[in-house]
Amino acid sequence: KAGVTQTPRYLIKTRGQQVTLSCSPISGHRSVSWYQQTPGQGLQFLFEYFSETQRNKGNFPGRFSGRQFSNSRSEMNVSTLELGDSALYLCASSLALGNTEAFFGQGTRLTVV
Amino acid sequence: GESVGLHLPTLSVQEGDNSIINCAYSNSASDYFIWYKQESGKGPQFIIDIRSNMDKRQGQRVTVLLNKTVKHLSLQIAATQPGDSAVYFCAARRAGSYQLTFGKGTKLSVIP
Repeated sequence: KAGVTQTPRYLIKTRGQQVTLSCSPISGHRSVSWYQQTPGQGLQFLFEYFSETQRNKGNFPGRFSGRQFSNSRSEMNVSTLELGDSALYLCASSLALGNTEAFFGQGTRLTVV
Repeated sequence: GESVGLHLPTLSVQEGDNSIINCAYSNSASDYFIWYKQESGKGPQFIIDIRSNMDKRQGQRVTVLLNKTVKHLSLQIAATQPGDSAVYFCAARRAGSYQLTFGKGTKLSVIP
């Protein structure tokens, strides 16, 4: 059974650009959550999707957005990139909304220069 | 809001000894807690969880203790092995919310 797949693994972008990250959850999982991980702030919740609807959102500016497709795959987008957006972006999938055993992907390492 | 913190950013233990990693949370409404392990280059891996109606839960070589009075939880790893070397995070969820709030992590190093 395949795990959570995140693409790409690494990205380098320039300030002001926008970026889209992709997450394919475990087959059968319908909930996808996104987290930003930085050395200074640790793991911070971005948003959670279930059945193509955003159910929860963390304290991030509107430049951070996401969506979920009918096959449960999810994308997150960051517009007008800032240096401080450099981080590891992690996606976690769960069987159902709030199902607490969440399985993480390996993350996308975003570097903004 | 919720904040979750760990007492020590790093911990070194001898192989075979027991490890104890501590975590404190701020919101007394938190009803669910998880410990994750993150190895270098990988995403966090679920270790064990505990609900607020329990004070202890055991897994394979791991035990989580919850003290709701002082809003503290700990992860105990028995007979620590080199493969246990990783960063360990605790996370808390408050009742009525699905959002997990993570602590900053404790880096466990196992000395052979």
